Amino acid sequence: DSGVTQTPKHLITATGQRVTLRCSPRSGDLSVYWYQQSLDQGLQFLIQYYNGEERAKGNILERFSAQQFPDLHSELNLSSLELGDSALYFCASSVGSSRSRGETQYFGPGTRLLVL
Amino acid sequence: ILNVEQSPQSLHVQEGDSTNFTCSFPSSNFYALHWYRWETAKSPEALFVMTLNGDEKKKGRISATLNTKEGYSYLYIKGSQPEDSATYLCAFVDTNAGKSTFGDGTTLTVKP
Repeated sequence: DSGVTQTPKHLITATGQRVTLRCSPRSGDLSVYWYQQSLDQGLQFLIQYYNGEERAKGNILERFSAQQFPDLHSELNLSSLELGDSALYFCASSVGSSRSRGETQYFGPGTRLLVL
Repeated sequence: ILNVEQSPQSLHVQEGDSTNFTCSFPSSNFYALHWYRWETAKSPEALFVMTLNGDEKKKGRISATLNTKEGYSYLYIKGSQPEDSATYLCAFVDTNAGKSTFGDGTTLTVKP
């Protein structure tokens, strides 16, 4: 158990819908990262937040957005869902620094999203 | 698009064998390299974070080296055990945007 929690574990929805995935980092961690793993692709970095602010952006679609709240939990919002958005979405956290270069990231169990 | 390549794609070894695999990444704009171990139906688990050229890290029977000038890192497993069976991922972090780019992983199967 990494100490990172993600809810829900599984989510089934329809195309065009909007969903919110939630992540609670390890106690004391300031940085949160979101990753996507779809069937035909490896692990893709989406976005990083540090202490409430966006720190780095990866291959995140415009239909997706994220935020980190004052209590440091984070939410990933996926809208206008398409079949291709079906994937495993991981959240990770680290202690946090301005660049978080050499920090170990602890991964949550993931949320499996299925878009029908 | 950054190119992070891992080889081989898969590896089958006998229990007790030592093995190694490679992660190749851009030699410019290096910030950090992460190694992860990912077992089926679980989450990636951090093995090493490497930041300096020439870094060598060790955790039990697993060790890693880093060459940022030529853009590669090796992961070594000494005396492989069945419980080492997993996919080993590397992730390159660049200086420009601080984002991580993952390789496709090397899947290791250790036969008893």
